[in-house]
Amino acid sequence: KAGVTQTPRYLIKTRGQQVTLSCSPISGHRSVSWYQQTPGQGLQFLFEYFSETQRNKGNFPGRFSGRQFSNSRSEMNVSTLELGDSALYLCASSPTTSPDEQYFGPGTRLTVT
Amino acid sequence: GQSLEQPSEVTAVEGAIVQINCTYQTSGFYGLSWYQQHDGGAPTFLSYNALDGLEETGRFSSFLSRSDSYGYLLLQELQMKDSASYFCAENNTNAGKSTFGDGTTLTVKP
Repeated sequence: KAGVTQTPRYLIKTRGQQVTLSCSPISGHRSVSWYQQTPGQGLQFLFEYFSETQRNKGNFPGRFSGRQFSNSRSEMNVSTLELGDSALYLCASSPTTSPDEQYFGPGTRLTVT
Repeated sequence: GQSLEQPSEVTAVEGAIVQINCTYQTSGFYGLSWYQQHDGGAPTFLSYNALDGLEETGRFSSFLSRSDSYGYLLLQELQMKDSASYFCAENNTNAGKSTFGDGTTLTVKP
């Protein structure tokens, strides 16, 4: 099976702009989670979607949002970008049979200038 | 990962055995996962423990003691390619999908 794919891989944006990142899970996986990884804060959970519904949400401001489509693909959006949003954004999918196993995509490296 | 503690760095030689410990302190805990991440790469799932005891997968084993709020990852017959960061992650009903520790950087020397 193909792994989790994320697009774009690299992105440079300016403060105040918004950005949309995309994630395609492993075929058959219905759960998609998003994480932010920075050197200072480590890996932090953003949100999880399952069957188009947000199932869990981390402690991030409302500028961070997401959605999931009927084919399980997911997008996350960050509005009004801040310099501190520069990070690696990772998407992970999980199989229904083993929901606690997460398979990560390569990530999107976002740089905000 | 404010609720998990793991050592920041560990160094070992090729062929040796190394143990990376992880302690957690949160109520609502229901499982501990381990991930490997090479520089510039994405985390890779290694193992998951929901019950007390040892889970073995090849050279890697993971252990959980719920009464001690403690787990560890054991890496045997270390190889140079095992040099990476290792994260424990707590699955918790109160905190979303997973809370990750800050990671342990393992350096394997010849």
